[in-house]
Amino acid sequence: QLVLTQSPSASASLGASVKLTCTLSSGHSSYAIAWHQQQPEKGPRYLMKLNSDGSHSKGDGIPDRFSGSSSGAERYLTISSLQSEDEADYYCQTWGTGIRDVVFGGGTKLTVL
Amino acid sequence: QVQLVQSGAEVKKPGASVKVSCKASGYTFTSYAMHWVRQAPGQRLEWMGWINAGNGNTKYSQKFQGRVTITRDTSASTAYMELSSLRSEDTAVYYCARVTVATSTWDAFDIWGQGTMVTVSS
Repeated sequence: QLVLTQSPSASASLGASVKLTCTLSSGHSSYAIAWHQQQPEKGPRYLMKLNSDGSHSKGDGIPDRFSGSSSGAERYLTISSLQSEDEADYYCQTWGTGIRDVVFGGGTKLTVL
Repeated sequence: QVQLVQSGAEVKKPGASVKVSCKASGYTFTSYAMHWVRQAPGQRLEWMGWINAGNGNTKYSQKFQGRVTITRDTSASTAYMELSSLRSEDTAVYYCARVTVATSTWDAFDIWGQGTMVTVSS
């Protein structure tokens, strides 16, 4: 079964960097994912599509402070030079062409201290 | 610019149906699949189904099979999601979302609607 696992929360200081993790379930380590940001009381915003080899393509207007990387079944979102507006929930999304389904992780709530 | 604009908030009684619209602009509507996702208060995003905006083919999540119907009007560049037999657990924000790659069904969602709050209450 295709499942994405995220830590419920993370925190980092203003101006620092943080690395969020999304883990694919066993047998699905080749899957691409997408990262989305959801600021309080707003809809999701697409950040990037991240492939298993670490290559990624970002959405329009997404700052260079946001980057992605991969290792095995883990997919990472790194945010550098943290700003107050980065305080948000971050969701990963994947999809299965064969299983014809879309799955979201539980989200990570990022607090900027 | 590319955008999806959804209809306004709805309040429904249990057992009723709700139909949410999603108007696309800034791109060729029929070239991209459209998905629907919902988010109950404090919960994760949950996929409901999709429609091929070109030919109208659909697929629904097993969870909503039999209660959800997704349609589109190509002349209006608008997709619709109708959910029937509403219950309190269906209280959520409903989003439409476009896939990032034209002619691809299963891919990242790069454009999201602003969301439509549906409240089910007696």
